[in-house]
Amino acid sequence: EPEVTQTPSHQVTQMGQEVILRCVPISNHLYFYWYRQILGQKVEFLVSFYNNEISEKSEIFDDQFSVERPDGSNFTLKIRSTKLEDSAMYFCASRSGNSGNTIYFGEGSWLTVV
Amino acid sequence: AQSVTQLDSHVSVSEGTPVLLRCNYSSSYSPSLFWYVQHPNKGLQLLLKYTSAATLVKGINGFEAEFKKSETSFHLTKPSAHMSDAAEYFCVVISNAGGTSYGKLTFGQGTILTVHP
Repeated sequence: EPEVTQTPSHQVTQMGQEVILRCVPISNHLYFYWYRQILGQKVEFLVSFYNNEISEKSEIFDDQFSVERPDGSNFTLKIRSTKLEDSAMYFCASRSGNSGNTIYFGEGSWLTVV
Repeated sequence: AQSVTQLDSHVSVSEGTPVLLRCNYSSSYSPSLFWYVQHPNKGLQLLLKYTSAATLVKGINGFEAEFKKSETSFHLTKPSAHMSDAAEYFCVVISNAGGTSYGKLTFGQGTILTVHP
């Protein structure tokens, strides 16, 4: 069964460093998402991406965050200057272009900022 | 606007007994509702989904959920718990407002299910 894959599975970084989280969505999918889950809290929407541009973003997704689909297969989330409160599990997700289709999630990338 | 409330943060059952995980939602539009499960150190796996067809939805691993519009509920049930069901379960809503807002999932707080031998 096709799946969304994410790398790295775990990353520890120092505060202020840049981090790039990578995702390979399911190949025929058109909509891409990043969500995050801070330990002990809800899963929160960060951003959605369609047709090579951001279609919606939450208030969490400030100027420190950016997304890119550089080569038609990878979908990346960049955090420019990490803060302690960026420590979380980051989930990538994708869905096909038909309304009602399921959103498929990757296994997540654990980011720890120290 | 849409929101989801999972009424129990933890549920503990014995193996072989029924499971009930409760979820209430609110939505400005006709909702689609999902249950996802997350096993330790794993991603989010879809259990089942309701998208305005049959109100009783059957999912994987013997789980099912019933959409009750009058009660704004979408509770998850299973007749007989198995040890492998121990995980965290998330009730999720999408409001079918159309356009690119479709896909902005709103998650409940999660319910941790513990299954005792």
